[in-house]
Amino acid sequence: DGGITQSPKYLFRKEGQNVTLSCEQNLNHDAMYWYRQDPGQGLRLIYYSQIVNDFQKGDIAEGYSVSREKKESFPLTVTSAQKNPTAFYLCASSIATENTEAFFGQGTRLTVV
Amino acid sequence: AQSVSQHNHHVILSEAASLELGCNYSYGGTVNLFWYVQYPGQHLQLLLKYFSGDPLVKGIKGFEAEFIKSKFSFNLRKPSVQWSDTAEYFCAVIYNQGGKLIFGQGTELSVKP
Repeated sequence: DGGITQSPKYLFRKEGQNVTLSCEQNLNHDAMYWYRQDPGQGLRLIYYSQIVNDFQKGDIAEGYSVSREKKESFPLTVTSAQKNPTAFYLCASSIATENTEAFFGQGTRLTVV
Repeated sequence: AQSVSQHNHHVILSEAASLELGCNYSYGGTVNLFWYVQYPGQHLQLLLKYFSGDPLVKGIKGFEAEFIKSKFSFNLRKPSVQWSDTAEYFCAVIYNQGGKLIFGQGTELSVKP
């Protein structure tokens, strides 16, 4: 089946540790996005990438890093510099050249204790 | 800065009532506009989209939205809501220059049977 896979669904980490969230898509989409969803704040854009080996900061990039070495993969690392990392993280992809709608993964709930 | 604003955080309606959810975006050139819905425990899914042409667009499940360029608005409407419309609704904008996809804060809709 075509789609976006985020893993794991739930993730627990100790404070001070870096953690990497996986996002893979087999839709042949060029654009990929990472959002953070918190109650009452909607989806806030962390990073996005329009093409392999290129990405841009979103509105809340501090404390996060990404890479885009392959078209189908866009992993997000939550570093120890992120002050409030506990959240629900959503990955999405779309056809970049047409700016069409984005398709979403099921999300990863990260809890830092 | 590019931004999207949804005016209502939580809307409570009785079944058969009419619905209108507000969405405004900041100017940033040509845009494509979307409304997404997130039912409890489910993925975000697309309700409708506007790229060009007729500013009144129809989506799934009886929803429609009107793009008013002069007001930078894209309000979502439904003439008669059902209990099953209980969900969170997100307005989103992609700015065609740069491909940045931004979401509003979301509106939680509760429909009383």
